[in-house]
Amino acid sequence: DQQVKQNSPSLSVQEGRISILNCDYTNSMFDYFLWYKKYPAEGPTFLISISSIKDKNEDGRFTVFLNKSAKHLSLHIVPSQPGDSAVYFCAASAYRSGNTGKLIFGQGTTLQVKP
Amino acid sequence: NAGVMQNPRHLVRRRGQEARLRCSPMKGHSHVYWYRQLPEEGLKFMVYLQKENIIDESGMPKERFSAEFPKEGPSILRIQQVVRGDSAAYFCASSKQGASGHNEQFFGPGTRLTVL
Repeated sequence: DQQVKQNSPSLSVQEGRISILNCDYTNSMFDYFLWYKKYPAEGPTFLISISSIKDKNEDGRFTVFLNKSAKHLSLHIVPSQPGDSAVYFCAASAYRSGNTGKLIFGQGTTLQVKP
Repeated sequence: NAGVMQNPRHLVRRRGQEARLRCSPMKGHSHVYWYRQLPEEGLKFMVYLQKENIIDESGMPKERFSAEFPKEGPSILRIQQVVRGDSAAYFCASSKQGASGHNEQFFGPGTRLTVL
């Protein structure tokens, strides 16, 4: 039962353009969402998060949008840079329902930014 | 300010041997989570520990796997009698607040276990 899904295994964009990575979830108890970036042979690096009480959170070139009715979130990277090339994981957690804070991860999307 | 540290980075074991993976959380963090990533998959939660306590082990296989986080020293994930299916990357993450509030988990570099 995949509660968090990233349906696009890969994405390729040109440097300077916008990258949009998508994530869908099925568990309505999720109330906190995070995006992580991962390079090969390294651990995931935290990028940005959003609480379910918000619909947008911005940090520099990274913006996360949350659409609770559609159970969908997206990560926008503008402008994209070659150094952004990595695997991006969406993760979710359900704090309000007494969950212990464990993260449920999607399968990941490999982003390639071409110079 | 050192990040989450894991060792060893690579571990090779033969079937039937034991594997011990260590994790030192970030300074000031007392909550530790272990995740496993199988090839071509996302990370899967295994266990959540605070100092001297296992809080949530719902993701741990019922047999051969155990975890601890003693009062002194690193957290240990122990796999007894390893099998080839245990080959994976094992990541440790730490956080400040655990389940008491929204918090980011910071990950270590992982231990890549290969079972021959």
